Amino acid sequence: QVQLQESGPGLVKPSETLSLTCAVSGYSISRSFYWGWIRQSPGKGLEWIGSASHGGNTNYNPSLMSRLTISLDTSKNQFSLNVNSVTAADTAVYYCARDDTAMKGLEYWGQGILVTVSS
Amino acid sequence: DIQMTQSPSTLSASVGDRVTITCRASQSIDDWLAWYQHKPGKAPKLLMYKASRLESGVPSRFSGSGSGTEFTLTISSLQPDDFGTYYCQQYNRYSPVTFGGGTKVEIK
Repeated sequence: QVQLQESGPGLVKPSETLSLTCAVSGYSISRSFYWGWIRQSPGKGLEWIGSASHGGNTNYNPSLMSRLTISLDTSKNQFSLNVNSVTAADTAVYYCARDDTAMKGLEYWGQGILVTVSS
Repeated sequence: DIQMTQSPSTLSASVGDRVTITCRASQSIDDWLAWYQHKPGKAPKLLMYKASRLESGVPSRFSGSGSGTEFTLTISSLQPDDFGTYYCQQYNRYSPVTFGGGTKVEIK
């Protein structure tokens, strides 16, 4: 059973960097698939942030690309999201997911973590 | 980017009703379309992928159809547990992933 769990600070100050980690169990992230992030701002729909593969390939939302880094740590079987220069508009529930780009889309998801950007 | 337009944005239906949600892509995505159900406080759940393939464990009352730019998700007989917001998502490998705006389904 593949399981994902997000962790990180729930409060980030404006202009600082938002950093989240997604721990994966039940599957080795070094085997295959992309590993990605999605967010939902209060009262809004889902927004795809981006994903990264074990081979080093990345796909990013063009509207966020300049502030994003998604990276994999295969030794810990986890992957991370960094968003720099955050504003209140980055306040959202952040989800991590296994991204099967070749067939199923976002097959497994974490439960989500609320991140608030505020001073 | 490919824009995904869902309709309706909300719908209210009774248990047993047949419900259809439409998703339209701004350009052809072949059948690279998934549908998700999202309930408050929970992770979104994959229902359909490749437009018409039912994810394992999802009840057979859910079905999907379409290709190119027009897609539908149908619930053949609405059940109380089917409340939530439904999203379509395109994952055409040549374009960034995008979601539709969502359809909130309420049970009368």
